[in-house]
Amino acid sequence: DAGVIQSPRHEVTEMGQEVTLRCKPISGHDYLFWYRQTMMRGLELLIYFNNNVPIDDSGMPEDRFSAKMPNASFSTLKIQPSEPRDSAVYFCASRPSGGLQETQYFGPGTRLLVL
Amino acid sequence: AQKVTQAQTEISVVEKEDVTLDCVYETRDTTYYLFWYKQPPSGELVFLIRRNSFDEQNEISGRYSWNFQKSTSSFNFTITASQVVDSAVYFCALSEGGKAAGNKLTFGGGTRVLVKP
Repeated sequence: DAGVIQSPRHEVTEMGQEVTLRCKPISGHDYLFWYRQTMMRGLELLIYFNNNVPIDDSGMPEDRFSAKMPNASFSTLKIQPSEPRDSAVYFCASRPSGGLQETQYFGPGTRLLVL
Repeated sequence: AQKVTQAQTEISVVEKEDVTLDCVYETRDTTYYLFWYKQPPSGELVFLIRRNSFDEQNEISGRYSWNFQKSTSSFNFTITASQVVDSAVYFCALSEGGKAAGNKLTFGGGTRVLVKP
């Protein structure tokens, strides 16, 4: 079975540009998570969805960040406008419903560099 | 608030040595889950093990073993007879129970393991 798919795997852009990261969760998983990994802050949760509905976006750093999940098989994380401090690895993860015992499975990540 | 501490930032061993990674957590909940993930140099996060707060039995899977001690809020991970392929960053994570807590995974800072030939 395919795991979580993320694209692009690498993105280099200039400050001020719009960046869109994409994620396809594992089929049948009802929860989708976006995480960011930086040297300074480690792995931090940005937002998560349940059945395509955003449940908790308290980790989204500021209004420049937005996330959508138009259907069960696709989600986007958008940064507009991007800034150098947004440079990080962004992970998408998904898990099935059934309670907190369920494991989150991570995608390969998108390495973003904002110049 | 929940918190996960991995006090060891980096451990360097020679191949075939054993290595133990420490994880200490804080939570006010009685129901919670603990996880270990591995992040190899390629960057992906690979799930290794899950343990719930009611199951304090230690677990062994091949060269990997885990020691969960609720009394000390620790969930330590040991690699026996380490190999070069074990070189990676290892993360301990906590997921709390209760609807208000949501489904957040709180990660520790990670421990980088370097296994030298």
